[in-house]
Amino acid sequence: GAGVSQTPSNKVTEKGKYVELRCDPISGHTALYWYRQSLGQGPEFLIYFQGTGAADDSGLPNDRFFAVRPEGSVSTLKIQRTERGDSAVYLCASSVTGDRGDTIYFGEGSWLTVV
Amino acid sequence: LAKTTQPISMDSYEGQEVNITCSHNNIATNDYITWYQQFPSQGPRFIIQGYKTKVTNEVASLFIPADRKSSTLSLPRVSLSDTAVYYCLVGDRGGYNKLIFGAGTRLAVHP
Repeated sequence: GAGVSQTPSNKVTEKGKYVELRCDPISGHTALYWYRQSLGQGPEFLIYFQGTGAADDSGLPNDRFFAVRPEGSVSTLKIQRTERGDSAVYLCASSVTGDRGDTIYFGEGSWLTVV
Repeated sequence: LAKTTQPISMDSYEGQEVNITCSHNNIATNDYITWYQQFPSQGPRFIIQGYKTKVTNEVASLFIPADRKSSTLSLPRVSLSDTAVYYCLVGDRGGYNKLIFGAGTRLAVHP
């Protein structure tokens, strides 16, 4: 079946611009995660959704980052006033329930470059 | 606070068995141990998960001793395509499955 889908796969934007990254999780998965990965490092947790609500947003680096999941399926990660340091791969993942032991499946990521 | 410790890199040759050991001294009673594989320019891919003893699937085996303070991922007869970064993860605090990644182990398989 279809996996986690992320768009765009690549995005180049100018410093100060606004960016939206979209995630389409596996159908039926109530848990959705966003991670960010810089070159040579492991993925860094950003936010976790259970259904429509952000159950844990402790990983968002500052108030320029925001994410929504209004209908409990597709999620959008929004970055305002982008900075060069925001350049990274943004990974979305989903799982059926979010319970411990539940397998988490990752998408291929959205590569963001801020110039 | 580091949750897991694993070697930064490993080298192997085609056809050999590779064992990557991960330490997780502070693992909680309800934590699972999960391993992911990541190729360049791709998202992490689930390999295997276990709670105790031994788990085996078509890709790998996972050995977990009784004290659960470490685990070993075993890849039988590796090929060049197994060259990747391997992450060992245990759960984080909280009531849900939260994966906190470290730097992983960079495995290079040589001809």
